Order: sequence, then structure tokens, then C-alpha cells
Amino acid sequence: SQKIEQNSEALNIQEGKTATLTCNYTNYSPAYLQWYRQDPGRGPVFLLLIRENEKEKRKERLKVTFDTTLKQSLFHITASQPADSATYLCALVNDMRFGAGTRLTVKP
Amino acid sequence: DTGVSQDPRHKITKRGQNVTFRCDPISEHNRLYWYRQTLGQGPEFLTYFQNEAQLEKSRLLSDRFSAERPKGSFSTLEIQRTEQGDSAMYLCASSSTGVKDTQYFGPGTRLTVL
Repeated sequence: SQKIEQNSEALNIQEGKTATLTCNYTNYSPAYLQWYRQDPGRGPVFLLLIRENEKEKRKERLKVTFDTTLKQSLFHITASQPADSATYLCALVNDMRFGAGTRLTVKP
Repeated sequence: DTGVSQDPRHKITKRGQNVTFRCDPISEHNRLYWYRQTLGQGPEFLTYFQNEAQLEKSRLLSDRFSAERPKGSFSTLEIQRTEQGDSAMYLCASSSTGVKDTQYFGPGTRLTVL
């Protein structure tokens, strides 16, 4: 069955740097992949969707890439801010599967 | 506020008791999902409705769990004979077909079984 792995449980970076989070899946390439943000004690919030025929998608300081050969998506936050500190989840929503998330901390 | 709402936000119960949670989705959304999330893990799929029809249930969902969406609007999730392992955050989400299943989550119900 399809599995999703987010390799880093936690990532600490300095304010202003670019954060890069990784999501790998194991089997067939999904038609699309999504990224969500989750703050403590709250439900996930949708950020970006990328389709299998799209290599890159951007929204403000966020960028997502999708490499079906590597079976991997990368999520970038440029010019990171302490307010970006949260857990970021990748999801194969067609399969209703979420990764375990990467907890990002941006230090001032 | 027209987002997804869940009630209650917190529930503490004793082992063996039954509990019921409610989810009110975004009104124009026809799909509704229930997930369970434990600390350090992503949401784990439990079940999903399209309108009032329950289309899929996780194989991990024991017979003690049941969900309904009687009129295709709000949904309830009941857990019978709760066990300590049921302690988790129960999340509800809704979506509209045709928008790639982007899911909008509620704030969750935190269940603690003593």
C-alpha cells in the first residue's frame, strides 16, 4: 500500500533562511500531492496542491516541487519568519493519507 | 464563521463509557471525513461520507466505532466501550467534489480516556 514518509521529524533554522522539507512516497505516483500546515492543538490548514504534471508551484514565500522519478516532493519556505514555526504535513488526499509531519522552528 | 466546527472540543471519559462527537462541515461541501491523530503523527483516516452515504471505512476502524451523516449535513462519530488507546485528537474535515479534494479541517475533539 502507498506510504508517505517525511524524513525529518524536526527542523530548526534561523530567521531569514530558506526551510526545505521533504516528502517521499513509496508506490505509484499520485495524481496530485498537497501540503498542509498544522499549529499545536488545531486542525491542519491547506497550503498548496501540486499535480503530477507540474514540476513546481509557488504561493508567496512558499514553493513546492514534485519529482515523480524520485517519488518526492520538496516544500520550501523562503525568507522564513518565526511565525512560520509549525508542523507541515504532506498528503496524498486521494488516498486520504498524511505524512507524520515535520515540525519546523524558525529562531529569531 | 463558516468553517468546519466540532463539538465538544475536549472530552474526558472513563474506560468503558460511550462517547459521541459532532462535526458540522462547511455548508456547501458534500464530502465529510473523520481522522484520528495522536501525538507526533499525521492524521489517520477513519471514514468518509459523500452526502449521506458512507463510502469508505478504514480497515483499522474497530467495530466499536460508528459514524453517521443522516441528512448529508452534520456527522456524528460514536465510540463505544472506550479504551485508553482511543485517546487521541479526532479531526473532521470537509471538501467539495471538483476541487481536488482540498480538505478543510475543524479544530478537532481531544479525547482522553482514563
